[in-house]
Amino acid sequence: GQSLEQPSEVTAVEGAIVQINCTYQTSGFYGLSWYQQHDGGAPTFLSYNALDGLEETGRFSSFLSRSDSYGYLLLQELQMKDSASYFCAVMGSGNTGKLIFGQGTTLQVKP
Amino acid sequence: ETGVTQTPRHLVMGMTNKKSLKCEQHLGHNAMYWYKQSAKKPLELMFVYSLEERVENNSVPSRFSPECPNSSHLFLHLHTLQPEDSALYLCASSQATASSYEQYFGPGTRLTVT
Repeated sequence: GQSLEQPSEVTAVEGAIVQINCTYQTSGFYGLSWYQQHDGGAPTFLSYNALDGLEETGRFSSFLSRSDSYGYLLLQELQMKDSASYFCAVMGSGNTGKLIFGQGTTLQVKP
Repeated sequence: ETGVTQTPRHLVMGMTNKKSLKCEQHLGHNAMYWYKQSAKKPLELMFVYSLEERVENNSVPSRFSPECPNSSHLFLHLHTLQPEDSALYLCASSQATASSYEQYFGPGTRLTVT
């Protein structure tokens, strides 16, 4: 089967750094994506890693280790607006468009 | 209109009703998706369309029937639903199924089945 695991909740203070981990088990693997979803909003794409290593986009970075079936999303200089749910998702097949999502991590940023 | 739009935003229906959800993307994408999002559960992929052809049906009950008349429009026809079908239904699109790692989502339709 295919499954992804991420923590259900994380709390941090404004200005801090937080890391949200994701481990996965899939029959095929083409990459790991991260999405952000604010309460009542639509998921929005943050980043994608197909190869091992760190991808940086402003305050957000995403890391992948294919040998460990593990990735993480790193959020730096946390702001109140970063309070949201964060989902990791695995692209298990190259052509069918199937994206398998984790259960999501709710990040609460406190002042 | 920009991005991905969905109508209606909220829908309450009885178990014997028939209704349809509509999705439109204004991004020039070739692939479209339906997801179900229930509380405390991950987003569940329901259907994938590529160039108007269904390429993935994720073991969805037949009371959900998708339709993709062209690459910009996607419908989800609903009939004889169950209360456990109450959820947020999200539509998404991507450049192609090979680019499904980067999907653009609509705001969703909040469905309540009574």
